[in-house]
Amino acid sequence: AQKVTQAQTEISVVEKEDVTLDCVYETRDTTYYLFWYKQPPSGELVFLIRRNSFDEQNEISGRYSWNFQKSTSSFNFTITASQVVDSAVYFCALSANNAGNMLTFGGGTRLMVKP
Amino acid sequence: GAGVSQSPRYKVAKRGQDVALRCDPISGHVSLFWYQQALGQGPEFLTYFQNEAQLDKSGLPSDRFFAERPEGSVSTLKIQRTQQEDSAVYLCASSLAFAGQFFGPGTRLTVL
Repeated sequence: AQKVTQAQTEISVVEKEDVTLDCVYETRDTTYYLFWYKQPPSGELVFLIRRNSFDEQNEISGRYSWNFQKSTSSFNFTITASQVVDSAVYFCALSANNAGNMLTFGGGTRLMVKP
Repeated sequence: GAGVSQSPRYKVAKRGQDVALRCDPISGHVSLFWYQQALGQGPEFLTYFQNEAQLDKSGLPSDRFFAERPEGSVSTLKIQRTQQEDSAVYLCASSLAFAGQFFGPGTRLTVL
């Protein structure tokens, strides 16, 4: 069975602060993919990143960065210099090879960035 | 179109009514997924198609839920005899094999 845990249900920061969203996953598969999605108030899930289990290199995209650590089964997401437009619910998700590509989502973290 | 589209965006049904939710995936995407998202929770998998073949329907909560994709493109999720617990946002996603799934805006179903 697969499981994704996002322990932080809600985070509130002031604009320009850095914030890290935690994600811990469980799977017995050796090949799997990890994802982050953003869900703004409009409701549509926006794809942010996909990582495969063989690539532990950290990734940076503008103000976003991701830290994948297989040893701790974590795939954390950091937003640097947060902005009000970053306010949304963020979901971490897992897809394993033998699960037909279906995504198993965490419960989400609601990020509120105040001006 | 450029993205996944879903219709209707909002649906209100009386308990016991049948509803049909439509999904138009991104052109060329062979995989299509349906998810159910209850208020304040993460999406949960319902069913998965590869082209017209329904390869996994293990997430469908009851036999009142039925999905089809007869020509390998547009998909319809049908819910018969709707119940209040069916109220949720129904999300459709499409993808190329092992690529990121791209989601539509969802259909918010409210059963009174």
